Parts: sequence; C-alpha cells; structure tokens
Amino acid sequence: KQEVTQIPAALSVPEGENLVLNCSFTDSAIYNLQWFRQDPGKGLTSLLLIQSSQREQTSGRLNASLDKSSGRSTLYIAASQPGDSATYLCADQWGAQKLVFGQGTRLTINP
Amino acid sequence: DAGVIQSPRHEVTEMGQEVTLRCKPISGHDYLFWYRQTMMRGLELLIYFNNNVPIDDSGMPEDRFSAKMPNASFSTLKIQPSEPRDSAVYFCASSFLGGNYGYTFGSGTRLTVV
Repeated sequence: KQEVTQIPAALSVPEGENLVLNCSFTDSAIYNLQWFRQDPGKGLTSLLLIQSSQREQTSGRLNASLDKSSGRSTLYIAASQPGDSATYLCADQWGAQKLVFGQGTRLTINP
Repeated sequence: DAGVIQSPRHEVTEMGQEVTLRCKPISGHDYLFWYRQTMMRGLELLIYFNNNVPIDDSGMPEDRFSAKMPNASFSTLKIQPSEPRDSAVYFCASSFLGGNYGYTFGSGTRLTVV
C-alpha cells in the first residue's frame, strides 16, 4: 500500500524567505506526482505536475522536483508572500489511476 | 471551460435522510473521481469511473454509499441513509487519459449530518 508523508505538518516563516516543503512516498513505482494548494474552505488548485520521466517542473516562483529512487519530492517556493499562505498537498498517482495524498503542510507567511 | 462543477456547495441534513451530491466533469475528460476529505483521514478516494464505467469502488465505506455516472457529463454520489460520521467535504475530480495531464478538482460539497 502506498503511503505519502509530508513534513513539516505546519510551517510559519516571515515574508520574503525561500522555503522547501517535503513529500515522501513508500513505493517508487509512481506514474506522476502533483502538488496542490488548498485555501481554507476551498477546493484544490493544481500547482505543478511532474510526470514520472521528469525530474522537475517550474512555474513562476514555484519549483517542484521528483526523485523516484529515494521516494521524495520537494516544492520550493522563492521569495514567499503572504498570499502563499495555504495548505500544500502532494499526491502521487500510484496503481492505475489512484491519487494518494499526503496530509499536507499548512504554510503561514507572516508580513 | 468552467472546470469541474459540484453542487450543492453546502448541505445540511438530518441523520437518516438521503443525500445526493452532483458533479459535472470537464468536457472531454474520460476519468471521474469522488474523494472525501476529513480532518482525521485526509483525502480518500471513494470511487472512480472511466468512460462512465465504475472501475474501482473499494474506497466506498459502506453499502449506504452509491455512485453513478449515467453519461460523460454527469455523476452523482448518494448516501442513504446518512449518518453524522458521513460529515465531510466531498470532492469530485476529473482527468484526461488517466493522470498524464494531471487532475482537476471541483470546489467540493461540505456535508453536515446532524
């Protein structure tokens, strides 16, 4: 059974800092890995998708990397802003079409 | 495209009542998923369809839960009878060609059973 773990569970940093969110998975036989953002009381917004043949994806201030051999993915946020405050979820597509989610990292950026 | 559309956004019902949640996937997507999110268990896959056919319902918690997809543009998740422990946020998601191009989630239905 695939398990996805996100560390830390919560993170609070001052505005302007660069930060890294971590995601680890137990079975390296994943198809894709996707990072989502969830604002309180809202749905999931897709941030980045890394296909299994790729090692990283970038969108603006966000960069996600994937290392299947070590079972890890990281989400790097540069020059953080208060608007980045949200819960960040990683999910890997494992076993046919199933997305398995981590419990998320609740990020707070302090002005 | 308007994205994945779910209705209602909020539902409050009494224990024992039937609840029906609705989802319209993105046009052209061939996979549809129902997830449930709770504080204790996070996001869990309940069931998913491919080309309107249920593929895996192993995540459906009990026989009280059922899901249908009568056509490519509509799906329902029904709970009958509802119980307080069913209170959660239910998300619908759709994708094209599996997850090769990622998954798109709806805004969710927050269900409260009192």
